[in-house]
Amino acid sequence: DQQVKQNSPSLSVQEGRISILNCDYTNSMFDYFLWYKKYPAEGPTFLISISSIKDKNEDGRFTVFLNKSAKHLSLHIVPSQPGDSAVYFCAAVYNFNKFYFGSGTKLNVKP
Amino acid sequence: DVKVTQSSRYLVKRTGEKVFLECVQDMDHENMFWYRQDPGLGLRLIYFSYDVKMKEKGDIPEGYSVSREKKERFSLILESASTNQTSMYLCASSGPVLNSYEQYFGPGTRLTVT
Repeated sequence: DQQVKQNSPSLSVQEGRISILNCDYTNSMFDYFLWYKKYPAEGPTFLISISSIKDKNEDGRFTVFLNKSAKHLSLHIVPSQPGDSAVYFCAAVYNFNKFYFGSGTKLNVKP
Repeated sequence: DVKVTQSSRYLVKRTGEKVFLECVQDMDHENMFWYRQDPGLGLRLIYFSYDVKMKEKGDIPEGYSVSREKKERFSLILESASTNQTSMYLCASSGPVLNSYEQYFGPGTRLTVT
């Protein structure tokens, strides 16, 4: 049973608008959450993270929100750019080395 | 610049063959991981290692073993390859321990078992 779920396999957004990628988890022991971005033929690259003691973390155009009561995580990209087109994975961690990844959401930003 | 390299980008093996996938990192990281990525399932952890000669099973270790004789190198071994092990294999590293959440990934090895 998947402990981290990304229920939207794909998302299409117009350039300049906001992209919102969602992630749900089931294990309340997760204490850290991360988002990774993956281009074709490359390994995932780290994008942004958030500790379970926070509810928001911002880095430039990227903001991650955590709602612990709902066990829900979201990544906001504002404004979206064509270069943001990639597959985005959310990941959750406990005991610093128990990593669980979602199945990914393919974002397409249209020019 | 951070670097995780994997020995092959593409590999085709026959059922029953022994397969070695090699991963090398140049960041002096303590932790190294092997994942497989399958459509609709995301990345699933096979094994990880937090020190030389140390290893722990992940979620799907069956049919796999690992070896870590040197800090920079982590090998994944398929003792007897089967068609259900056809997948994309990704290696990652992280460290030091107190800041070890951020993993750095290699480019992946696309393994096909026929």
